[in-house]
Amino acid sequence: DGGITQSPKYLFRKEGQNVTLSCEQNLNHDAMYWYRQDPGQGLRLIYYSQIVNDFQKGDIAEGYSVSREKKESFPLTVTSAQKNPTAFYLCASREGANQETQYFGPGTRLLVL
Amino acid sequence: GQNIDQPTEMTATEGAIVQINCTYQTSGFNGLFWYQQHAGEAPTFLSYNVLDGLEEKGRFSSFLSRSKGYSYLLLKELQMKDSASYLCAVKKAGGSYIPTFGRGTSLIVHP
Repeated sequence: DGGITQSPKYLFRKEGQNVTLSCEQNLNHDAMYWYRQDPGQGLRLIYYSQIVNDFQKGDIAEGYSVSREKKESFPLTVTSAQKNPTAFYLCASREGANQETQYFGPGTRLLVL
Repeated sequence: GQNIDQPTEMTATEGAIVQINCTYQTSGFNGLFWYQQHAGEAPTFLSYNVLDGLEEKGRFSSFLSRSKGYSYLLLKELQMKDSASYLCAVKKAGGSYIPTFGRGTSLIVHP
């Protein structure tokens, strides 16, 4: 089955700790995105990548980092510099070249201990 | 920047029809998405409107007026499983392909 997977479903972070959220897709999509969702807020873009080995900051990139070494993988690291990391994190992908629609993974809920 | 407004919450009765509105202000508008998101799950694509008018897909229809900066999602024959958040997102013209999302409308369907 083709799709987008995110792991883990729930993740706990201790103060001062970096954690990495996984996002994998086997749809052969070129573009991948990370969003953060907080209660009562719309999805906010953290980082995006249009092509392998290239990525751009979104609206709220501070305290986060990403890599795009493989087409199918776009991991997000939440660093200790992100002071309010508790949120629902959604990864999305888009086929590329004039294809408009983003398809979302099931999300990872990050909680701070 | 972009301003996207949609109601925070709506309630409706099973079997009824509900219309969820979305208004937006943006320069260089290209198209408007509607997504459905059940609590704790991924948003799923419902529609993408680029041209004015109504597009129907089964029980769900989406309307766009570019001149008025207005869209709505129409849900007919409501079912309990339609209880979810409905996200409106606007895409600007240009090559970034990054939509801006509204805060979502939480729809509660009751018996």
